[in-house]
Amino acid sequence: EVQLVESGGGLVQPGGSLRLSCAASGFILSNHWMHWVRQTPGKGLVWVSRINHDGSSTTYADSVKGRFTISRDNAKNTLYLQMDSLRAEDTAVYYCARVNSGYNDYWGQGTLVTVSS
Amino acid sequence: EVVMTQSPATLSVSPGERATLSCRASQSVSTNLAWYQQKPGQAPRLLIYGASTRATGIPARFSGSGSGTEFTLTISSLQSEDFAVYYCHQYNNWPPLTFGGGTKVEIK
Repeated sequence: EVQLVESGGGLVQPGGSLRLSCAASGFILSNHWMHWVRQTPGKGLVWVSRINHDGSSTTYADSVKGRFTISRDNAKNTLYLQMDSLRAEDTAVYYCARVNSGYNDYWGQGTLVTVSS
Repeated sequence: EVVMTQSPATLSVSPGERATLSCRASQSVSTNLAWYQQKPGQAPRLLIYGASTRATGIPARFSGSGSGTEFTLTISSLQSEDFAVYYCHQYNNWPPLTFGGGTKVEIK
């Protein structure tokens, strides 16, 4: 059974940092690109970042470029999102999602990040 | 950026009735269009990919159609478990990948 489990969310002050993790099981992580997608409470879905199979290629939404870093450790079956210089508008539930031919076929349950003083 | 516009924002339907949800893209996305269902407190669940292919385990009452800029998700006979928010998602032109704003299907 494919499972994605995010962790690392929490309350952080503006300007602070957090590192999210996404533990993958039930499939071979190195066979798939991965995405991070966020959802502001009560609002829609916004794509944040993607990473290719081996981590050699990454892409970011303009709103997080230069502040967030996506990475992966296929040996540990784990995806990461390092978030620096956090702003209030980064407050959201962050989901990791497996990519299958471009669309997201499996999603984690999400982890809540709250940026507030 | 491809803007995805969903309509209506809210759809009130009685159980057993048909629901038709629309999604429009600001430019052609071919058939690289997916639909997701999200219930409160849960992650999105893939329903449809390639505009019309049902994902594994998705009941046949869910169907998708369209290509280019106009897409439709139809739920032929609404069950109680189908009341949720539905999002379309284009994965043809990126970055960025973009999602529609969602359609909430509620009990009439």
